[in-house]
Amino acid sequence: DAGVTQSPTHLIKTRGQQVTLRCSPKSGHDTVSWYQQALGQGPQFIFQYYEEEERQRGNFPDRFSGHQFPNYSSELNVNALLLGDSALYLCASSLRDRGRSPLHFGNGTRLTVT
Amino acid sequence: GQNIDQPTEMTATEGAIVQINCTYQTSGFNGLFWYQQHAGEAPTFLSYNVLDGLEEKGRFSSFLSRSKGYSYLLLKELQMKDSASYLCAVRDPYNFNKFYFGSGTKLNVKP
Repeated sequence: DAGVTQSPTHLIKTRGQQVTLRCSPKSGHDTVSWYQQALGQGPQFIFQYYEEEERQRGNFPDRFSGHQFPNYSSELNVNALLLGDSALYLCASSLRDRGRSPLHFGNGTRLTVT
Repeated sequence: GQNIDQPTEMTATEGAIVQINCTYQTSGFNGLFWYQQHAGEAPTFLSYNVLDGLEEKGRFSSFLSRSKGYSYLLLKELQMKDSASYLCAVRDPYNFNKFYFGSGTKLNVKP
């Protein structure tokens, strides 16, 4: 049973560029959430997708956008990259509206913006 | 706003017991979760409390007091592999899949 998988593992981009990160949820999960984890900090909620729509968004600018596909996989896009966007981007999957269900995280994509 | 506080770093000896505290002030509460995160890896789920009291799971236990906005994670018989960051997270009351995380406590286990 595959867990949450993310690609790529590492990425180096230049300021102003655009980046796309990918996530496949754990088998059987229908909800994908994206989190940003800066060095030495806890994960911060970016947004959540289910039924191919963005359902809730954290305090992140419109430069951050996403998509969910019919197979529940998801993409995170970041435009006009800033140095401050350098972080570990975590994808988490779960079953929607299950009270005790924890999030299952992927290993993340380490984005470095130079 | 959401405020979740944990100590930044702790050190303990192999075989000992360590308690990692977490205090929270959030607009609403729907459960508190503890995650373990080794450097460069994904956070992995350890425990969950929604009612007051102690939940025990092998070497790990977690306690919750909702009236005090307080939780702790207790690790017994520490092993070197327990060296990791421990994240306290509160679930959003209106969205079961949205969590507010503390900054994490880095635990160093020494021989």
